[in-house]
Amino acid sequence: DTEVTQTPKHLVMGMTNKKSLKCEQHMGHRAMYWYKQKAKKPPELMFVYSYEKLSINESVPSRFSPECPNSSLLNLHLHALQPEDSALYLCASSPLNEKLFFGSGTQLSVL
Amino acid sequence: GENVEQHPSTLSVQEGDSAVIKCTYSDSASNYFPWYKQELGKRPQLIIDIRSNVGEKKDQRIAVTLNKTAKHFSLHITETQPEDSAVYFCAASQTGANNLFFGTGTRLTVIP
Repeated sequence: DTEVTQTPKHLVMGMTNKKSLKCEQHMGHRAMYWYKQKAKKPPELMFVYSYEKLSINESVPSRFSPECPNSSLLNLHLHALQPEDSALYLCASSPLNEKLFFGSGTQLSVL
Repeated sequence: GENVEQHPSTLSVQEGDSAVIKCTYSDSASNYFPWYKQELGKRPQLIIDIRSNVGEKKDQRIAVTLNKTAKHFSLHITETQPEDSAVYFCAASQTGANNLFFGTGTRLTVIP
């Protein structure tokens, strides 16, 4: 398996909802990432997990809460989001300090 | 922190011609420079990368050159094909994939 799999592919949620994005990889990569990408913009780093521990948090609001249950899974819990949080959320993984492999993303719309 | 600038923002070329996209970076400690291709509605995909101990790297029709002194690196695509049409992002990092700083992207259109 040489892919990073993300679910769901699309998500529409209200500002009071709680939802979770899921990411899975079985390439044995020990680093996993969440990126946010707005239309026509580059990906912006949100969080980095190394060996299942949070190593980078790029000053992301607390309404985004990451979780890494094991070396293959990465979740992003969403609560009380704002319309400006609508974006493509990309998960990625890499062998430590090596090439980044992106998932196909979750297109999130906050109403 | 690192600042990566990318030019041009849009580029149109005739099929078969070459395309060149340029990036500059600000942090002399950066040592890893990947290029990603993102087709419309798809994930970014790594197409080539280079480390600071190498000046040039080639993979079929794609090449990357790095000038450490001037702090710039470029993507060269030869014999362009319509399927090369996409947005291309450069990036730079001191720590490999852990903390990439992306350029603003170049929308390449190859005209058949």
